[in-house]
Amino acid sequence: KNEVEQSPQNLTAQEGEFITINCSYSVGISALHWLQQHPGGGIVSLFMLSSGKKKHGRLIATINIQEKHSSLHITASHPRDSAVYICAARVEGAQKLVFGQGTRLTINP
Amino acid sequence: ETGVTQTPRHLVMGMTNKKSLKCEQHLGHNAMYWYKQSAKKPLELMFVYNFKEQTENNSVPSRFSPECPNSSHLFLHLHTLQPEDSALYLCASSHGTQGRETQYFGPGTRLLVL
Repeated sequence: KNEVEQSPQNLTAQEGEFITINCSYSVGISALHWLQQHPGGGIVSLFMLSSGKKKHGRLIATINIQEKHSSLHITASHPRDSAVYICAARVEGAQKLVFGQGTRLTINP
Repeated sequence: ETGVTQTPRHLVMGMTNKKSLKCEQHLGHNAMYWYKQSAKKPLELMFVYNFKEQTENNSVPSRFSPECPNSSHLFLHLHTLQPEDSALYLCASSHGTQGRETQYFGPGTRLLVL
């Protein structure tokens, strides 16, 4: 079992829907990252969280340290949000990032 | 040019070839990373460099040889690769070296080994 698990693995929704992607981890972490990977491979860092909640535009990321769980929400989803979203946990006391397998999101117009 | 750049973007090589991947960051960062992303597998950390010194080798086979001549440039030298080494190779950089900073990723080099 991977130290970082994401669900769902694939998600298809209609434009405008509220999207939630979940990430659970089993290691002690100092921070958790949400990344977005577009077709072609380039990766963009969306959030880095160590507690609470962060919001950027239509994206919201939350983390519950006690439950070892984080969620990424997208409000008013748009086809340009279609990408793979990756959760990555920074192992406590190290630079090492452990990655989830990614969630492939497709937003249909 | 800003951000993290990687060249080439695509590479096809035979198992006996020698090739190199290049990464350059224009962000003034002190740490650089090589990652491997294989189909249907999570990203895997390969190497970490802090201030040009290698601080992590994640049990990577010796047919992958990294080189960091300065804090802005990182190379991955490839020699006698196997078809299973075909993957997307991503470079990243971060400002700090303590593990709490955001990493900025390049677009990746998609490698096919025949």
